[in-house]
Amino acid sequence: GAGVSQTPSNKVTEKGKYVELRCDPISGHTALYWYRQSLGQGPEFLIYFQGTGAADDSGLPNDRFFAVRPEGSVSTLKIQRTERGDSAVYLCASSSDRLGNNEQFFGPGTRLTVL
Amino acid sequence: KQEVTQIPAALSVPEGENLVLNCSFTDSAIYNLQWFRQDPGKGLTSLLLIQSSQREQTSGRLNASLDKSSGRSTLYIAASQPGDSATYLCAVETGRRALTFGSGTRLQVQP
Repeated sequence: GAGVSQTPSNKVTEKGKYVELRCDPISGHTALYWYRQSLGQGPEFLIYFQGTGAADDSGLPNDRFFAVRPEGSVSTLKIQRTERGDSAVYLCASSSDRLGNNEQFFGPGTRLTVL
Repeated sequence: KQEVTQIPAALSVPEGENLVLNCSFTDSAIYNLQWFRQDPGKGLTSLLLIQSSQREQTSGRLNASLDKSSGRSTLYIAASQPGDSATYLCAVETGRRALTFGSGTRLQVQP
């Protein structure tokens, strides 16, 4: 596709459940990022993939959060034992990963609500 | 730790006015700065990227400047239109590839 796509657009789950959020980056982009945005705030970094490997996962809040990108394209963000505080919009971005000219392009986000 | 601040938090102007949005960052060792637009309930649209060696970038009615040494960037919007109403976010990349964002300026352009 022409841009970054994310599914689902909305996800409502109950506390304690497991959820998976999917991201399809722009074709050919080697770098993929996950961010989380709470209401009224700017996005906060979670994890960055360079190809198939997680180059920087320092933004993951705890070990309930995990992300994979097995073939260097599509990525899945996985959240175990969800808590109400996990409710937010989860944004995915991709880029060509060129240092100094690394324009990131964002998807429409997945709005996660934990009841 | 890099911190990004955007002032003002909200701005309301009549249509046709020229306006300036401000962004400041605490660590001047950046690789680039990116300005985004976010419409309610939507993702981020990239507007302009300024590399650390550049002083400004222009796209249509938008002009972004960068003063890396003082840790400041401005986004200038000429002849504002109601369709410009959105939240504008600035973000810096400091070599970790991750972007650090400000909280945004919510702009309302009144017809």
